[in-house]
Amino acid sequence: DIQMTQSPSSVPASVGDRVTITCRASQDISSWLAWYQQKPGKAPKLLIYGASSLQSGVPSRFSGSGSGTDFTLTISSLQPEDFATYYCQEAVTFFRAFGQGTKVEI
Amino acid sequence: QVQLQESGPGLVKPSQTLSLTCTVSGASISSGSYYWSWIRQPAGKGLECIGRIYTSGSTIYNPSLNSRVTISVDTSKNQFSLKLSSMTAADTAVYYCARDRGYGFDSWGQGTLVTVSS
Repeated sequence: DIQMTQSPSSVPASVGDRVTITCRASQDISSWLAWYQQKPGKAPKLLIYGASSLQSGVPSRFSGSGSGTDFTLTISSLQPEDFATYYCQEAVTFFRAFGQGTKVEI
Repeated sequence: QVQLQESGPGLVKPSQTLSLTCTVSGASISSGSYYWSWIRQPAGKGLECIGRIYTSGSTIYNPSLNSRVTISVDTSKNQFSLKLSSMTAADTAVYYCARDRGYGFDSWGQGTLVTVSS
């Protein structure tokens, strides 16, 4: 099984900050990596797929990079609506493992 | 725009079988190269894929739940369903249905809370 490890588990941040979240896969997943945003009481929302492709309708302040085992999600200028929990997910195996989540908080 | 909606009981007794249905609108469940999936999230915790069914009817289940899970599809109703047997308190979670495009889950239901308690 592939394990997905995110760091940090929480990020204190302010509006306007540049925020970077890291995700590491336990084995090579090429670019089969997706990022999600989840707000309390809501379903996750797909932000990035293929490690760096922006899902339709997602603001351009979100970007993803990486390949192989190391990936990053960057929010270039944090907006009030971006305070949420972010998850990475591998899309290469049958089991679609998620990271444990990173909470972006004030 | 595709929409998914979960339905089923919010309370299940220990040892019973959970049955949930996901109704899909805005897209045909039998067309396209999609996986129709079930995902769960215990309160305050992360996301766990339970399993999925392909448009062909083939299924893949999480090995940790494999012996207890059945996912099926009813193309006439544009629905797919989850059955999870031998429920315990550890199965208490919000259950989501979602569409897997192969590169990620692009559409989700709103989620339904299932509590296991006598």
